[in-house]
Amino acid sequence: KNEVEQSPQNLTAQEGEFITINCSYSVGISALHWLQQHPGGGIVSLFMLSSGKKKHGRLIATINIQEKHSSLHITASHPRDSAVYICAVFIGYGGSQGNLIFGKGTKLSVKP
Amino acid sequence: EAGVTQFPSHSVIEKGQTVTLRCDPISGHDNLYWYRRVMGKEIKFLLHFVKESKQDESGMPNNRFLAERTGGTYSTLKVQPAELEDSGVYFCASSQGVGLSFYEQYFGPGTRLTVT
Repeated sequence: KNEVEQSPQNLTAQEGEFITINCSYSVGISALHWLQQHPGGGIVSLFMLSSGKKKHGRLIATINIQEKHSSLHITASHPRDSAVYICAVFIGYGGSQGNLIFGKGTKLSVKP
Repeated sequence: EAGVTQFPSHSVIEKGQTVTLRCDPISGHDNLYWYRRVMGKEIKFLLHFVKESKQDESGMPNNRFLAERTGGTYSTLKVQPAELEDSGVYFCASSQGVGLSFYEQYFGPGTRLTVT
């Protein structure tokens, strides 16, 4: 069992749909990154959060510290949102401070 | 401000050869991380520099991998000799600040290494 679990692994949506990607983790501390990787592209940080909720444009990220769970929501999805979305949790102990443990990613495809 | 850059973007080498990957972090970022994604797997941590010092190299697969960070600026990751299982995408990331806080990491575009 992975220490950082994402669901779903693959997601196909129609343009305009509301999308939710979930991340549950059993390790690390309660701070994490949501990352985006387009096909053939590099990795872009969407959010880093340790509590509550953050919003950037059509993207919303939430984290529940007690339940060790985070969600990434995309409102009014668009084909350009098609990418792999990766949850990465910070290791929070000792000399590993700041290192990340990654989920396998969720591949999102938004159809026009 | 320039982001994290990596060179080369793609490298194809034969088994047994040596390859050196380079990462230039964002200027002023003390933390530099190397990560790797092999086919079908999640991205895994390799090592972490704070300035020129190795803070954590627990993710390095074996002694065929050697990382350096000259003067706390750019970093190189050398694989010698390369094996087939070293194929993958190597990412570098940097962040500012040290201590008991968490800083956003900025990722480079990655180097795709293919060992044949």
